[in-house]
Amino acid sequence: GAVVSQHPSWVICKSGTSVKIECRSLDFQATTMFWYRQFPKQSLMLMATSNEGSKATYEQGVEKDKFLINHASLTLSTLTVTSAHPEDSSFYICSAPGLAGGDEQFFGPGTRLTVL
Amino acid sequence: DAKTTQPPSMDCAEGRAANLPCNHSTISGNEYVYWYRQIHSQGPQYIIHGLKNNETNEMASLIITEDRKSSTLILPHATLRDTAVYYCIVVFSGDDKIIFGKGTRLHILP
Repeated sequence: GAVVSQHPSWVICKSGTSVKIECRSLDFQATTMFWYRQFPKQSLMLMATSNEGSKATYEQGVEKDKFLINHASLTLSTLTVTSAHPEDSSFYICSAPGLAGGDEQFFGPGTRLTVL
Repeated sequence: DAKTTQPPSMDCAEGRAANLPCNHSTISGNEYVYWYRQIHSQGPQYIIHGLKNNETNEMASLIITEDRKSSTLILPHATLRDTAVYYCIVVFSGDDKIIFGKGTRLHILP
């Protein structure tokens, strides 16, 4: 099946710095990708829809200037957490719909961000 | 808003069938029922989906009631590796966006 990768898998940063997380579709093209955030023992919360070649669509309550999304190619979307603070510490997961006509969505392995 | 209701947790003995219920009483005719699971600290994994008919694949079976207001995911022979949070999700046909509810935490007991 299709594979979605994320990099890095784990990152620790100091408060106030920015962190970039990459999401790649390895063997298929994705014009749309989704970014989720998950706090411990909670469900995944959809943050935004990443659209190749156009602006991302953010869910209500998600700060677009805080979470910058760039989808510059058909296989890569990036999420940049700007001026990170401890409350941004979370598990960030991306996903992409599969091949055209397919029904399932493929999720990356996740990136655990810890802000000190 | 999640359109499904699931029990927060369930236990199942290893080797037995795990039956996970899901209520989706407000489902519309163009909405599919999808099941995903998330093993601890990993990304979610697709299991199965259906519209009206029961479905079966190598992982599980999906039983959808005739009125489509509820469904049951069946793992025929549960193993310890099936320990995960299972999410029942209703998705509109042609829509790629997935909104997760709280899911059911399934514990497989040795």
